[in-house]
Amino acid sequence: QKEVEQNSGPLSVPEGAIASLNCTYSDRGSQSFFWYRQYSGKSPELIMSIYSNGDKEDGRFTAQLNKASQYVSLLIRDSQPSDSATYLCAVNRNNNDMRFGAGTRLTVKP
Amino acid sequence: GAVVSQHPSWVICKSGTSVKIECRSLDFQATTMFWYRQFPKQSLMLMATSNEGSKATYEQGVEKDKFLINHASLTLSTLTVTSAHPEDSSFYICSATGTTKTDTQYFGPGTRLTVL
Repeated sequence: QKEVEQNSGPLSVPEGAIASLNCTYSDRGSQSFFWYRQYSGKSPELIMSIYSNGDKEDGRFTAQLNKASQYVSLLIRDSQPSDSATYLCAVNRNNNDMRFGAGTRLTVKP
Repeated sequence: GAVVSQHPSWVICKSGTSVKIECRSLDFQATTMFWYRQFPKQSLMLMATSNEGSKATYEQGVEKDKFLINHASLTLSTLTVTSAHPEDSSFYICSATGTTKTDTQYFGPGTRLTVL
């Protein structure tokens, strides 16, 4: 079992729809969770971090964490073509031991 | 805040030469820096982790004599690819964690290396 698993996609949604990205992790002791966005040919940029069970909203983005199910998700509301990118889920097992998923490629079609 | 720069952004070199890539934290002190490599359409691969003033810890399968890492200060780490070969051509990305949010990695823009 991979430490951090994501569907590779591609996930395709129409403009204005909600995009839902999912991630599961294997280490139950993981403490902090992150979503990064990576445009083609660019480096990852941090979108959100989440530490506690529940939802965390930031603009059009909502991160959801369920530690009991070892599940993290990212919702993107009102998806725009500029949201088309690869989204990386990252899980920090303890300080500086961060594991990345392989990423989910999202395409938002106009 | 939390800006990381890399230099150069791209480099082309001949086979057998060495290439140095710099990674700098511009507005924070980076206690730990990470070096990743990414081939086209593949996921990030962690190469090594370095703490200021200490020897880098390399991931399994990464040759420490080929990929020399120096983390000489709290704002600068360098990666030197020695005797580069075409198979070393890749996108090299550094990231850093600071003294306050020690669990959050901030990425540099990356360096694209092409070895002819």
